[in-house]
Amino acid sequence: GAGVSQTPSNKVTEKGKYVELRCDPISGHTALYWYRQSLGQGPEFLIYFQGTGAADDSGLPNDRFFAVRPEGSVSTLKIQRTERGDSAVYLCASSLLPSGGTDTQYFGPGTRLTVL
Amino acid sequence: AQSVTQLGSHVSVSEGALVLLRCNYSSSVPPYLFWYVQYPNQGLQLLLKYTSAATLVKGINGFEAEFKKSETSFHLTKPSAHMSDAAEYFCAVIQTGANNLFFGTGTRLTVIP
Repeated sequence: GAGVSQTPSNKVTEKGKYVELRCDPISGHTALYWYRQSLGQGPEFLIYFQGTGAADDSGLPNDRFFAVRPEGSVSTLKIQRTERGDSAVYLCASSLLPSGGTDTQYFGPGTRLTVL
Repeated sequence: AQSVTQLGSHVSVSEGALVLLRCNYSSSVPPYLFWYVQYPNQGLQLLLKYTSAATLVKGINGFEAEFKKSETSFHLTKPSAHMSDAAEYFCAVIQTGANNLFFGTGTRLTVIP
């Protein structure tokens, strides 16, 4: 079956611009996660959705970052006033149930964001 | 807070040799532990996970890991390395009371022919 997909695969923008990154989770998965992976580092948690609501947004670095999941499936990560330090690979994952119950998180291929 | 430490950012082994990638966790309560692999230009893929059942966990592609509470370790092993094992490997933990994964910094495995 189809896995987690993310679009675009690459995004180049200029400092100060607004960007949106999209994630399509596996069909039927209720939990959705966003992570950010900087060069040479492991992924870092950003936000977790259970259904339509953000159950944990403690990983968002500041108020320039925002994410939505209005219908409980597709999610969009939005970054305002981008900075060069936002350059990273943004990863999306989904799981059938919340992973506190150890349900496996399946990852998408990521969106590589470059802020010039 | 829980964390994981991966010793060795780069590991090189000869084809056919034993693979040993180290991971230690810090937690007063045994957490849920995971190993993920990231092949070049691909997404993270789950290799195996420990969820407080058997301490020796077998995963895909011949990998296994042993949970050792006394050593707070969850090292990943494979008896015989293949060229196709060359990738980045991440150890991760589910933090107590949370649902997100907390990842180590990764170990890049190189397999020498």
